[in-house]
Amino acid sequence: KAGVTQTPRYLIKTRGQQVTLSCSPISGHRSVSWYQQTPGQGLQFLFEYFSETQRNKGNFPGRFSGRQFSNSRSEMNVSTLELGDSALYLCASSLGDGRKAFFGQGTRLTVV
Amino acid sequence: AQKVTQAQTEISVVEKEDVTLDCVYETRDTTYYLFWYKQPPSGELVFLIRRNSFDEQNEISGRYSWNFQKSTSSFNFTITASQVVDSAVYFCALSDFGNEKLTFGTGTRLTIIP
Repeated sequence: KAGVTQTPRYLIKTRGQQVTLSCSPISGHRSVSWYQQTPGQGLQFLFEYFSETQRNKGNFPGRFSGRQFSNSRSEMNVSTLELGDSALYLCASSLGDGRKAFFGQGTRLTVV
Repeated sequence: AQKVTQAQTEISVVEKEDVTLDCVYETRDTTYYLFWYKQPPSGELVFLIRRNSFDEQNEISGRYSWNFQKSTSSFNFTITASQVVDSAVYFCALSDFGNEKLTFGTGTRLTIIP
């Protein structure tokens, strides 16, 4: 069974640009959650999508957005990048019942 | 609001020693889940265990064991006879029942010295 796939693995962007990250969940999983991991703030929940609907949202500015497609694949978009957006972005896939989430290897975003 | 505290930032032990990672949590919910995840250098978080708030039975799985005490809001994790492959960052996490949102602690970096 294939795991959670995140692409790309690494990204370097310039301040002010926008970026789109992709996550392909485990087959059969309908929930995808996104987390930001930084040395200063640790692991923080961004949002969760279940069956193409945003079901939960963390405390991040509107520059952070996401969507989920009918095949459960999810994308996360960050607009007007700031230096502080440099982080490891992790995607988690699950059945949506809160019992167990499987994480991808993450996308490491560097904003210069 | 939920909160998870992992007071130990870094721990180093010599291989084959036992090591316990501490986790203290705060929540107003009466039903919740507690988790431990491991993050190796490759980056992904690897699920280790989930406990329900109403199940205080402690568990042993191979070299791993967990001690859940609701009275002290603690969910500690012990590795017996540690191995170099156990070196990683370990995160304790909390969620509402049925909710996918995980609140993580700050993690404990465990280094096993050969």
